Amino acid sequence: DIQMTQSPSSLSASVGDRVTITCQASQYISNYLNWYQQKPGKAPKLLIYDASHLERGVPSRFSGSGSGTDFTFTISSLQPEDIATYYCQQYDNVPPAFGQGTKLEIK
Amino acid sequence: QAQVVQSGTEVKRPGASVRVSCKASGYTFSNLGVNWVRQAPGQGLEWMGWIAPYSGIPRYAQKFQGRVTMTTDTSTNTAYMDLRSLRSDDTAVYYCTTRNCFSGACGVFDYWGQGTLVTVSS
Repeated sequence: DIQMTQSPSSLSASVGDRVTITCQASQYISNYLNWYQQKPGKAPKLLIYDASHLERGVPSRFSGSGSGTDFTFTISSLQPEDIATYYCQQYDNVPPAFGQGTKLEIK
Repeated sequence: QAQVVQSGTEVKRPGASVRVSCKASGYTFSNLGVNWVRQAPGQGLEWMGWIAPYSGIPRYAQKFQGRVTMTTDTSTNTAYMDLRSLRSDDTAVYYCTTRNCFSGACGVFDYWGQGTLVTVSS
């Protein structure tokens, strides 16, 4: 099974900061990598699919990049409503696997 | 507008079984891949398995083989997840997530139910 390693596991930043989360796959997954946002008590929400494609309706301050084994998720200017836990997920192989999550807090 | 609605909270004794339902509306149900993902309290997301569109053939994570059954009822646009021999570490929120596999890759989870809390306690 493919393992997904996210870092950091938690992050504290100020409103307006640029925030970056990384995700590394244990083997090559091309661009079959998605990013989700989960707020407390809510279901995850798809933000980015296929490594870099922004889901419809998602603000353009969110972006993703990478391919192969190394991926990056970026919020260009952190907003208060972005406080959440973020997960990467690969779907190149079954079982699809999630990273362990990055909890983002406001400083 | 596509929508996914799950059944309500369950409380079960160890050793019991639970059925969680997931009703989809707003799209052609037979085109849907239906995945089940669970989240233990304070933990991350864990994929349990899925049912492929059209064929209705399930595939389960090895961890749950022999204990889980996933089915769909196309007459009511509803998917079901049955989990047997419940243990305390099965306490979690269970999500179904659907994807129209004919409009994009099945592994992109774009529609999620609200989640169903299953508590296993004696």
